[in-house]
Amino acid sequence: QKEVEQDPGPLSVPEGAIVSLNCTYSNSAFQYFMWYRQYSRKGPELLMYTYSSGNKEDGRFTAQVDKSSKYISLFIRDSQPSDSATYLCAMCTNAGNMLTFGGGTRLMVKP
Amino acid sequence: GAVVSQHPSWVICKSGTSVKIECRSLDFQATTMFWYRQFPKQSLMLMATSNEGSKATYEQGVEKDKFLINHASLTLSTLTVTSAHPEDSSFYICSASTSTGELFFGEGSRLTVL
Repeated sequence: QKEVEQDPGPLSVPEGAIVSLNCTYSNSAFQYFMWYRQYSRKGPELLMYTYSSGNKEDGRFTAQVDKSSKYISLFIRDSQPSDSATYLCAMCTNAGNMLTFGGGTRLMVKP
Repeated sequence: GAVVSQHPSWVICKSGTSVKIECRSLDFQATTMFWYRQFPKQSLMLMATSNEGSKATYEQGVEKDKFLINHASLTLSTLTVTSAHPEDSSFYICSASTSTGELFFGEGSRLTVL
């Protein structure tokens, strides 16, 4: 079993929909949680960075962490075609430590 | 956010030659940088952790003599693929960690070995 599980998709939604992306993990020592967006042939771009449990909101993006369930989510409101990309969750035990990545979910937002 | 620059973005070389890829943190000092390899439609695979002023720590299965990593300063790490072969063709990505633990990635370098 992988330490971090993420549905590979693809996830196809119409423009304007609310998108929910999720990861589950097995290592209870993870404390820092990140979401990255990666366009084809580009390096990943950091979207959200959260510590421990709770919610964090940034524009159309909301990250949720539920450490009791070992489950993290990224919500995208009012999705746009430009949001079409692969979304990677990542986490680590201490700041600056090696990240453990999920496999990525490919999202397609159709106009 | 912080900026990490990677160069070159795309390189084509003949089999047997060596290729150097640079990774720079432009607006912050990074004591630790990471090098990843990514195959098409797959997630990132960590190759090595690069610490400024010391030897890199390689992940299991990664050939140290094949993939030379040098972290000469707090803003620069280099990956040299020595005696490249077609199977080394891949997308190589670096990342650098800020003092608060956020990790930023370079744009990636596509290596094609003919």
